[in-house]
Amino acid sequence: DAGVIQSPRHEVTEMGQEVTLRCKPISGHNSLFWYRQTMMRGLELLIYFNNNVPIDDSGMPEDRFSAKMPNASFSTLKIQPSEPRDSAVYFCASTLGLNTDTQYFGPGTRLTVL
Amino acid sequence: EDQVTQSPEALRLQEGESSSLNCSYTVSGLRGLFWYRQDPGKGPEFLFTLYSAGEEKEKERLKATLTKKESFLHITAPKPEDSATYLCAVQAVNNAGNMLTFGGGTRLMVKP
Repeated sequence: DAGVIQSPRHEVTEMGQEVTLRCKPISGHNSLFWYRQTMMRGLELLIYFNNNVPIDDSGMPEDRFSAKMPNASFSTLKIQPSEPRDSAVYFCASTLGLNTDTQYFGPGTRLTVL
Repeated sequence: EDQVTQSPEALRLQEGESSSLNCSYTVSGLRGLFWYRQDPGKGPEFLFTLYSAGEEKEKERLKATLTKKESFLHITAPKPEDSATYLCAVQAVNNAGNMLTFGGGTRLMVKP
């Protein structure tokens, strides 16, 4: 079975540019999560979707960040404009959507903003 | 606010030297406690879920235990391939969904 798929795996961009990260959850999973991981702050939840609807976006750092889930098979996380402090590894995870269900993580996108 | 603290931050072991990793948590009501393993350059990989105090789960050289305030990940006779960062996370009963709060992780290095 294919796991969570993320693209690109690595992204290097310049400050001010728009960045779009992509995620395909595991087929049949109803919940999708976007996380950011840094050495300083560890793994932080950014936003959470259930049945394609954003449920909690309290972790989104600021208006420069936005996330969409147009269908059950695809989600994007966009940063516009990007800043050097956005450099991190961004993970997508999905679950069946049931309470206490395990979250399965993708391989991550390493973003570097110069 | 849910809080998870893991200790130590880093642990160096000789191959075969057993030890334990600690995860202390504060949560209004625990729905589940999760352990993940993360290798460099990869996403966290699920290991265990514990739901109630006194519960234990085992997988190869790993055993996870849970009390009302903390969880331990016991590693028996570790091998170099057990080297990784181990993450602990909690899910609270008052969560709208399956949101997890993660600890900072313990970086384990096992020398041959």
